[in-house]
Amino acid sequence: DAGVTQSPTHLIKTRGQQVTLRCSPKSGHDTVSWYQQALGQGPQFIFQYYEEEERQRGNFPDRFSGHQFPNYSSELNVNALLLGDSALYLCASSLRQGYYGYTFGSGTRLTVV
Amino acid sequence: KQEVTQIPAALSVPEGENLVLNCSFTDSAIYNLQWFRQDPGKGLTSLLLIQSSQREQTSGRLNASLDKSSGRSTLYIAASQPGDSATYLCAVNSGYSTLTFGKGTMLLVSP
Repeated sequence: DAGVTQSPTHLIKTRGQQVTLRCSPKSGHDTVSWYQQALGQGPQFIFQYYEEEERQRGNFPDRFSGHQFPNYSSELNVNALLLGDSALYLCASSLRQGYYGYTFGSGTRLTVV
Repeated sequence: KQEVTQIPAALSVPEGENLVLNCSFTDSAIYNLQWFRQDPGKGLTSLLLIQSSQREQTSGRLNASLDKSSGRSTLYIAASQPGDSATYLCAVNSGYSTLTFGKGTMLLVSP
């Protein structure tokens, strides 16, 4: 049973560029959440998608946007990259509201230079 | 706004010791609480999930307890091994479909 799959694993971008990260949820899960983890910090919630709509959003600017597809997979897009966007981006999947907990992927390491 | 604090920030112990990691949260109206393990540069591995109606959960050498009224959870690791070395993260689900994380406890178990 495949868990949460994220791609790519590593990415280097230049300031001002745009980036797209991808996530496939665990089989049977219908909700995808994205988190940003800076070095030495706990993950910070970006947003959550359910039924192809953004349901919750954390304190992140509009440069961060996302999408969920009919097969429950999701994308995270970040525009006008800043050096401060360098972080590990984690995708988590769950059943609605996470009653049975969350399953995380291995993350995408984004470096902005 | 939910805030989660983990103490200690770092812990170094010799192999074989029993140890306790602490997690406190400010809003006791939680849905559930989940403990994760994170190896350097890697994703999160779920260890234990405790529902708000439960007092504890056990998996192998791990035991997690929850005292919702006092806003505390502890993760007990018995007979620690070098392979237990990792960062342990506590995450609270306050019912808004999001997780609030602490900064983690970095554990080093030396042979």
